[in-house]
Parts: sequence; structure tokens; C-alpha cells
Amino acid sequence: EAGVTQFPSHSVIEKGQTVTLRCDPISGHDNLYWYRRVMGKEIKFLLHFVKESKQDESGMPNNRFLAERTGGTYSTLKVQPAELEDSGVYFCASSQGRKNIQYFGAGTRLSVL
Amino acid sequence: AQRVTQPEKLLSVFKGAPVELKCNYSYSGSPELFWYVQYSRQRLQLLLRHISRESIKGFTADLNKGETSFHLKKPFAQEEDSAMYYCALRPLNNAGNMLTFGGGTRLMVKP
Repeated sequence: EAGVTQFPSHSVIEKGQTVTLRCDPISGHDNLYWYRRVMGKEIKFLLHFVKESKQDESGMPNNRFLAERTGGTYSTLKVQPAELEDSGVYFCASSQGRKNIQYFGAGTRLSVL
Repeated sequence: AQRVTQPEKLLSVFKGAPVELKCNYSYSGSPELFWYVQYSRQRLQLLLRHISRESIKGFTADLNKGETSFHLKKPFAQEEDSAMYYCALRPLNNAGNMLTFGGGTRLMVKP
């Protein structure tokens, strides 16, 4: 069974540019989560999808971040325009079932120069 | 709001020595506690959860509600245990499924 897949693994962009991160959850998982770890800080929750609906987006830092999950399958996280403080590792996780264990992707390392 | 604290950023032990990675939490409701591990160049993966009360790779962790702690222990560390360890909390109610992570502890097991 394929795990959670994230693309790209690393992105280097300049301040002011736009970047789109993609996450493919484990097939059949209704729950999809985005987290991020910025330099020196904890891994922090961004938002939670249940199928295509945003269940909780309380962790989204500001309106430069837009997450979508059209069709309830893969999700994208767009940062527009990117700022220096957006640099970090963005993780995606998915879960399903009563135990609701979250399985993580390998992460996308975003470097904003 | 919930908070997870891992007081040690780095823990270095010799192979065969006991190891304890500390985790303290604050949460007003009933929590579910997890330990996740990230080995070098691998993804974050679940090590164990307090509800299952199991031992994985020789590691155990007991939820102590009185001390609000969930320390991870192993009696004899192995070199392959070297990794980043994250303690995480999730509310047991239906308010949400988000995980709150501690800052992580890097465990280095020396030969």
C-alpha cells in the first residue's frame, strides 16, 4: 500500500513568488491534515480536511495560504506571495477509521530566499 | 488550549544504557498521547500511543495523569534507536483531530 506522498520534496523560491505543494493521502483516507515546522519551532497544525470539506483551519497563519482538496482526494497548499518566514518543512498526514492514526508524508522543504 | 513540552533537545547515551525521553503536557480535558519517531532520511512514523499500552522496539511509555507526563523509556538503548522523537497530544473528545507536538528530542546512541 502506498503511503502519503508529497510533492515536491524540496522547493526553493524567491520572496514574493507563488508555490503550490501537493499531498496525496493514503487511498481511502477521508481525513487529510497539513502541518509545518519552521526553523527552531515545533511541528504545528495548519488545517484538517474531511473529504473535500475544511473541518478545521484554525492553524492557517494568514490569507496568503490557501488549501484545497477538490474531489476529496489529493490536496494542494498554495502560498501566495511567499515570505521569508514561510520557510520550513510542510508535512501532510492522512487518517481513517476509529483509531484515526495519522500517517505522515515525507514532507516538502520550502526555502524562501 | 493544549501544550506539549519536551525539555531536552538532545539526549546522548551509550549503547546498552537506559534511556528516558521526557514529555510533559497541559490540557484541561482527556488527552490521547503519542510518540512519533523520525529516523534519518525517513518520514515521521508512529512509535506508540498510550491507549494501546504496547511496547514497540523495546520502548514503553506510561501516561501519568497526576504528573501530566508521558515519558518514553527503553532499558537498553541500541544504535539504531538514534533518531528524532516527538511527543504529541490529541484531545479524546470530538472537538478535533489535530495533533499538538512537542519540540522534539534528538536521541544519539553512541557505540
